[in-house]
Amino acid sequence: DVKVTQSSRYLVKRTGEKVFLECVQDMDHENMFWYRQDPGLGLRLIYFSYDVKMKEKGDIPEGYSVSREKKERFSLILESASTNQTSMYLCASGIGFSKNIQYFGAGTRLSVL
Amino acid sequence: SQQGEEDPQALSIQEGENATMNCSYKTSINNLQWYRQNSGRGLVHLILIRSNEREKHSGRLRVTLDTSKKSSSLLITASRAADTASYFCTIYAGNNRKLIWGLGTSLAVNP
Repeated sequence: DVKVTQSSRYLVKRTGEKVFLECVQDMDHENMFWYRQDPGLGLRLIYFSYDVKMKEKGDIPEGYSVSREKKERFSLILESASTNQTSMYLCASGIGFSKNIQYFGAGTRLSVL
Repeated sequence: SQQGEEDPQALSIQEGENATMNCSYKTSINNLQWYRQNSGRGLVHLILIRSNEREKHSGRLRVTLDTSKKSSSLLITASRAADTASYFCTIYAGNNRKLIWGLGTSLAVNP
């Protein structure tokens, strides 16, 4: 089975802190994604990566950056956390271009106080 | 917006009944997928239907696709309490690696 592991299930940070969310997949997938999920807004794509060191902006990249130094790991960075970044963050991985089935981690619920 | 839209937003049924939820979209697609999300967890892929397919089955799930109406439906037959979850449709236009997500249907199956 595909396994996508997010480093934390719950995280509480203070405004202005630098926050790292880590995601690791074990299936050699090319593509990795970071979403945030908020009530009434659904899943919104923050960034995705289709290869090591490659990244593309999603729909809401402002306030976030990403890093993909190894194929299996995709990190989401909040340079200076703000309260409006309190959300559920979901990492996903997938292969291919023709199907684009995505496999999700369990999510990290981040609270910024 | 290209966003998929599920209907209804919320559905409550009794165990054993069938549940039907619908998805409409606005753009041409390569495929359409349905995912399930249990409360506070990640999403799980359920089924993929390609644009040239009209119906697909997987266990108690049946998905239909009508590209002329730009709509899809997910039918869960003989529902169980464990089917309680949110269900999302997502479309893939095939021109990039991004999926376009709907807002989901919240299904409650009462014992």
